[in-house]
Amino acid sequence: LAKTTQPISMDSYEGQEVNITCSHNNIATNDYITWYQQFPSQGPRFIIQGYKTKVTNEVASLFIPADRKSSTLSLPRVSLSDTAVYYCLVGAPNTGRRALTFGSGTRLQVQP
Amino acid sequence: GAGVSQSPSNKVTEKGKDVELRCDPISGHTALYWYRQSLGQGLEFLIYFQGNSAPDKSGLPSDRFSAERTGGSVSTLTIQRTQQEDSAVYLCASSLESTSGTYEQYFGPGTRLTVT
Repeated sequence: LAKTTQPISMDSYEGQEVNITCSHNNIATNDYITWYQQFPSQGPRFIIQGYKTKVTNEVASLFIPADRKSSTLSLPRVSLSDTAVYYCLVGAPNTGRRALTFGSGTRLQVQP
Repeated sequence: GAGVSQSPSNKVTEKGKDVELRCDPISGHTALYWYRQSLGQGLEFLIYFQGNSAPDKSGLPSDRFSAERTGGSVSTLTIQRTQQEDSAVYLCASSLESTSGTYEQYFGPGTRLTVT
């Protein structure tokens, strides 16, 4: 199974940029990198997905180096409402369980 | 449009009873997933349905767990002879089948199961 490693927790303050790094040393050629956000008592919510280099949307950026063995989720100017657990997934459709392994995630706590 | 819905939202049952959890995926989504999340833990994959293919049941923890998906839409997760360790939030998600390699799972609100 594709294994991902993330920090267990991170702390930040409102207005700061937060970078959460995920290691995925055995990523396969066809794999994509996907990040989800989960608030308490809710199901996870898709944030961003990428294959290489940089992807940006309205909520986050995803940086993927050339070797693709890691990725960094960047949240600009976080607010209290960004306090959540963030999961990194590696995989692709039709690769079975590889694509469906959510790790323990990174618990981000944003303080005023 | 309507998202993924799950019912019931909460279920309290006695040890040894059977329970059925229901998931209504987003219309048109061919893939459906069940996960389990214990308090403060990450998501544990249970089972995956994709179109008309045989489901991937590799995550089911024991033969007390089973799931079916009727007509490629609604899915039911059944837990027989429930045990206290089955207490968790059961999450359902659905997604489109993607040919480009990208996909996004849409999650329901979950069913909180408590076995007493």
